[in-house]
Amino acid sequence: DSGVTQTPKHLITATGQRVTLRCSPRSGDLSVYWYQQSLDQGLQFLIQYYNGEERAKGNILERFSAQQFPDLHSELNLSSLELGDSALYFCASSRGGASGNTIYFGEGSWLTVV
Amino acid sequence: GIQVEQSPPDLILQEGANSTLRCNFSDSVNNLQWFHQNPWGQLINLFYIPSGTKQNGRLSATTVATERYSLLYISSSQTTDSGVYFCAVTQGAQKLVFGQGTRLTINP
Repeated sequence: DSGVTQTPKHLITATGQRVTLRCSPRSGDLSVYWYQQSLDQGLQFLIQYYNGEERAKGNILERFSAQQFPDLHSELNLSSLELGDSALYFCASSRGGASGNTIYFGEGSWLTVV
Repeated sequence: GIQVEQSPPDLILQEGANSTLRCNFSDSVNNLQWFHQNPWGQLINLFYIPSGTKQNGRLSATTVATERYSLLYISSSQTTDSGVYFCAVTQGAQKLVFGQGTRLTINP
């Protein structure tokens, strides 16, 4: 158990819908990262937050948004869903930034868009 | 951006065999981690190893930062070692960049 908690574990939804994925980082970790893993794209970085502020942005679509709350949990919002958004979404956390810190991953949220 | 290449892409072995997985990266890094993704999709930390050598049971890893590569050794493989092994690196304070992984299959 990495200590990073993600909910829901599995989600099936229709095209055009909106979903929210939730992440609780390890106790004491200030950074939260979101990654998407699809069959054809591998593990792609989406976005990073540090202590409530956006720190780095990757290949995140405009239809997707995220935030980190004062209690440090984070949510990833996916809207106007398309079939191609079906993927495994990971949340990860670390004590500080990505430099010099081990990054721990949650078990992921499996999203299927039908 | 930094490039991460892993080899081989696929590896099939019998139980009890040893294996070496390689990760090459295109620039200097200040974070390198090895992960095992099991058949259920979980990404499990194996090593945080930006340089040097570490061992954990049957697994060990070595990173030669000056030559921009890291090796993961698995000895006396077991069927539970099957899955995909990822190397991931960071430059500065940026995000982890993952390689494409090595798919390891251990047959009984």
